Amino acid sequence: ETGVTQTPRHLVMGMTNKKSLKCEQHLGHNAMYWYKQSAKKPLELMFVYSLEERVENNSVPSRFSPECPNSSHLFLHLHTLQPEDSALYLCASSQDGRGADTQYFGPGTRLTVL
Amino acid sequence: GNSVTQMEGPVTLSEEAFLTINCTYTATGYPSLFWYVQYPGEGLQLLLKATKADDKGSNKGFEATYRKETTSFHLEKGSVQVSDSAVYFCALSEEGSYIPTFGRGTSLIVHP
Repeated sequence: ETGVTQTPRHLVMGMTNKKSLKCEQHLGHNAMYWYKQSAKKPLELMFVYSLEERVENNSVPSRFSPECPNSSHLFLHLHTLQPEDSALYLCASSQDGRGADTQYFGPGTRLTVL
Repeated sequence: GNSVTQMEGPVTLSEEAFLTINCTYTATGYPSLFWYVQYPGEGLQLLLKATKADDKGSNKGFEATYRKETTSFHLEKGSVQVSDSAVYFCALSEEGSYIPTFGRGTSLIVHP
């Protein structure tokens, strides 16, 4: 299943680096999401885009900056991260973004901040 | 606000055992309910869902029934396999909302 792809799959960065995570969906969906998955913590919704407009932003630190240039692509720009930002970052998409929509997840990017 | 509560894991079973993973929820409206599964090294994928009270979702031998009176959506399987070892997430989403609510996940380990 290659519906939602994420690159890179693994990333190691220092606290002063700048990097970007990329997500692409091939499902023709209108909504895209970024989640953070940390060990022993609930899944955290970070950002939601619908038709390239940001519709939710859950109090995420400014060192995370999302970008959605079109409905198929979603980026997460990272700068000046902290070690506690190390986690699995999951991208997802859904048809419309609301209610009964199923979310389709990518495999995630495993981020380690040194 | 909305919330989803799942039983703590890990749940450890022998192959062919019966599985139940409990899920209860609180919601202000009438949400859709989901079970997602995450296999090692992968993202989450939909296992089953139900969109209204008394609906039963089913897939790959797993079942869950939307019980409005008990606000529950328990996941069951009659005979688990080693390949079912994964983390299972219960989730809800309200009509018109962009924000799904996920449970903390329950790890299932099935031994041969």
